[in-house]
Amino acid sequence: QQPVQSPQAVILREGEDAVINCSSSKALYSVHWYRQKHGEAPVFLMILLKGGEQKGHEKISASFNEKKQQSSLYLTASQLSYSGTYFCGTEVSGGSNYKLTFGKGTLLTVNP
Amino acid sequence: DSGVTQTPKHLITATGQRVTLRCSPRSGDLSVYWYQQSLDQGLQFLIQYYNGEERAKGNILERFSAQQFPDLHSELNLSSLELGDSALYFCASSVETGTGEKLFFGSGTQLSVL
Repeated sequence: QQPVQSPQAVILREGEDAVINCSSSKALYSVHWYRQKHGEAPVFLMILLKGGEQKGHEKISASFNEKKQQSSLYLTASQLSYSGTYFCGTEVSGGSNYKLTFGKGTLLTVNP
Repeated sequence: DSGVTQTPKHLITATGQRVTLRCSPRSGDLSVYWYQQSLDQGLQFLIQYYNGEERAKGNILERFSAQQFPDLHSELNLSSLELGDSALYFCASSVETGTGEKLFFGSGTQLSVL
């Protein structure tokens, strides 16, 4: 089942912070985050395994709350280069085969 | 450049026709995934192959089929095309990071069905 992302879109000014949420109705084994710039392919950001870990990538970090089946992506002091569509992908616990299901995406626009 | 090659970049065809999309994974990657991206549905998982064998299946229509060849390249065949099949089709290959599969996406094939 497709995870639900919120918000659908967000507009920021350079230097502002943003949070993108991803939630699932199923127990999750892992959450993956990708960013897709306009006209390009999605690019890997990070993977979080169940256990509530938080990982960081430059000024972009994420958390995974296994009990709530939710993950949040944190973008701090946003830069123009952060603009793009962010997708979370979820892998369900107990799945017999690897299958990454993506949400519909969150469009992030960073303006000067 | 992700190292994943997809051809063609653009494909324009008519309803009822059949097309083949091709994907070459990164050197050494055994897995190939196919995704369909449309504006209203985002990235939809279609199918995954691993070393020539089908490993996982998603929302792939019966009119669609795929295979992975001994040289590990993959083809996605779309037949009896409908207007609603117009979308961007991505192929990806993956590497196991120890914490999960990291996908590398190709640049996609934009399919337009007229």
